[in-house]
Amino acid sequence: QKEVEQDPGPLSVPEGAIVSLNCTYSNSAFQYFMWYRQYSRKGPELLMYTYSSGNKEDGRFTAQVDKSSKYISLFIRDSQPSDSATYLCAMSAHSGAGSYQLTFGKGTKLSVIP
Amino acid sequence: DGGITQSPKYLFRKEGQNVTLSCEQNLNHDAMYWYRQDPGQGLRLIYYSQIVNDFQKGDIAEGYSVSREKKESFPLTVTSAQKNPTAFYLCASSGDRSVQGYTFGSGTRLTVV
Repeated sequence: QKEVEQDPGPLSVPEGAIVSLNCTYSNSAFQYFMWYRQYSRKGPELLMYTYSSGNKEDGRFTAQVDKSSKYISLFIRDSQPSDSATYLCAMSAHSGAGSYQLTFGKGTKLSVIP
Repeated sequence: DGGITQSPKYLFRKEGQNVTLSCEQNLNHDAMYWYRQDPGQGLRLIYYSQIVNDFQKGDIAEGYSVSREKKESFPLTVTSAQKNPTAFYLCASSGDRSVQGYTFGSGTRLTVV
């Protein structure tokens, strides 16, 4: 079993739809969770991060973490064509200073159709 | 503005050649990383460095080499020993707070011709 599983899609939705992107993980030591957005031929950019179980909201984006189920989600409300990108989940067990390793999902490719 | 600069954006390599990809950051981050991204395979770690003059192999280090002579710079050399070098290469850095995640550069697309 891979440490982080993410459905690669592709996922195609109409403009204005609610999008749900998900990752599951097996390492119970993971405590920091992130979502990155990557446009085609660009580097990933950090979209959201969270530490604890529960929800974190930022505009149209909500990150949800359920540590008991080892499951994280990213919800996008009122999706726009500009949201079309690949979304990668990432997680880490490290909590101190210095280098630490992020474990990434393979990414889900999202297309929002006008 | 602080960030990571990767150059060149596109690079073409002939068979048997070594090529070097540049990565420079002005974020004052201690740690730097190199990833390779292939379609359907996600990000794979090549090398990482926690401090100057120190670096560690990642999951797919064979055929690659790095140096870390300055805090700001972490160049990656793709050697002729790397049999399938065509890929998108991403450099990243991280500071001293885990919740900040990595900052990525804009990537270098390497193609063997």
